Amino acid sequence: DGGITQSPKYLFRKEGQNVTLSCEQNLNHDAMYWYRQDPGQGLRLIYYSQIVNDFQKGDIAEGYSVSREKKESFPLTVTSAQKNPTAFYLCASSMSIGVRPYEQYFGPGTRLTVT
Amino acid sequence: DQQVKQNSPSLSVQEGRISILNCDYTNSMFDYFLWYKKYPAEGPTFLISISSIKDKNEDGRFTVFLNKSAKHLSLHIVPSQPGDSAVYFCAASSGSARQLTFGSGTQLTVLP
Repeated sequence: DGGITQSPKYLFRKEGQNVTLSCEQNLNHDAMYWYRQDPGQGLRLIYYSQIVNDFQKGDIAEGYSVSREKKESFPLTVTSAQKNPTAFYLCASSMSIGVRPYEQYFGPGTRLTVT
Repeated sequence: DQQVKQNSPSLSVQEGRISILNCDYTNSMFDYFLWYKKYPAEGPTFLISISSIKDKNEDGRFTVFLNKSAKHLSLHIVPSQPGDSAVYFCAASSGSARQLTFGSGTQLTVLP
């Protein structure tokens, strides 16, 4: 059963701590993405990776870091430098070529609360 | 600077009637447009898409219309069903990077 898994679904951290959000896909997709969603706003792109060992900053990369050591995995670290880390984080993946290369498949999301 | 705008944060429609969700964009380089549906505390799911070389794409009850000269697209749902109640996001893409730029979403409520 192919899909994208994100864990955990809910995460609580104290201010000043780094936290890593997990994202795994078994769709054999080349590209992976991280977004955050805030209330009343659309999805904003944090980082994306089109191939293993390569990634690019999105619109709001400050305070975040990623790695792409395996095709299936794209973890996101929210560092203490991120000023407003409390949000709903979504991971997505897509094919690089094919009939619908632009169609991104999303995981269920992780709600991070930092106090 | 919002490149993709959904100016209606919410829309209520009676069951069985048509729902029309609108989206405007400013970047003329966008060449592919998608609609996603999202339930609370879940990830968005792909609904329907359209390439800039077309002006209409239909899939069952869902039809997307693209007006390139007006930089406007719309999603029509006919007939609307209570299960369609969700937030609908419009997204646009350009270039080889395949990044998507999302609108802020429209909450559709279909009343029984």
